[in-house]
Amino acid sequence: DVKVTQSSRYLVKRTGEKVFLECVQDMDHENMFWYRQDPGLGLRLIYFSYDVKMKEKGDIPEGYSVSREKKERFSLILESASTNQTSMYLCASSSGTGYGYTFGSGTRLTVV
Amino acid sequence: AQSVTQPDIHITVSEGASLELRCNYSYGATPYLFWYVQSPGQGLQLLLKYFSGDTLVQGIKGFEAEFKRSQSSFNLRKPSVHWSDAAEYFCAVRNTGFQKLVFGTGTRLLVSP
Repeated sequence: DVKVTQSSRYLVKRTGEKVFLECVQDMDHENMFWYRQDPGLGLRLIYFSYDVKMKEKGDIPEGYSVSREKKERFSLILESASTNQTSMYLCASSSGTGYGYTFGSGTRLTVV
Repeated sequence: AQSVTQPDIHITVSEGASLELRCNYSYGATPYLFWYVQSPGQGLQLLLKYFSGDTLVQGIKGFEAEFKRSQSSFNLRKPSVHWSDAAEYFCAVRNTGFQKLVFGTGTRLLVSP
């Protein structure tokens, strides 16, 4: 089975800190995605990547950046964490057309 | 722009009863459609997907969904719900040219004894 691993399940950071959320997939998928999930809002796409060193903005990229230096790893960066970035962050990967995503277990980030 | 509507925020079903979760999408052409389930504190797991062909799709855990183009719907069904089905369910749509999925806001299923 494809596995998508997010490095932390729970994270508590202070306002203004630079935060790195890491995601690794083990099935050579081209596409990787970062979503945030908030009650009543569902999943909203932050950034995605079709290939190494390529990135595209999603629907809510403000306050975030990403890095994809290797095919298997896609990092989400909060440049200066704020309390309104407290959320569940979900990473996903997919390959080719017609396939659904495989999701990681999520990182619940709290910014205090 | 494509969008997905899940009109029910919460649904409570008795164990053993049938279930139908509603999903409506907005997209010009035939979309790729998905249902995911999320157990508490977990990521999302793919239940089933529709791309083309037979409009009744079978998935894992005894779930099925029917694509109705005339109603722009892709409702999820299960004939007999088990307590372990209590979770949040997300419908998603993807257009044929891109990899991005657009998700609905989810329906939380509660199962009563």
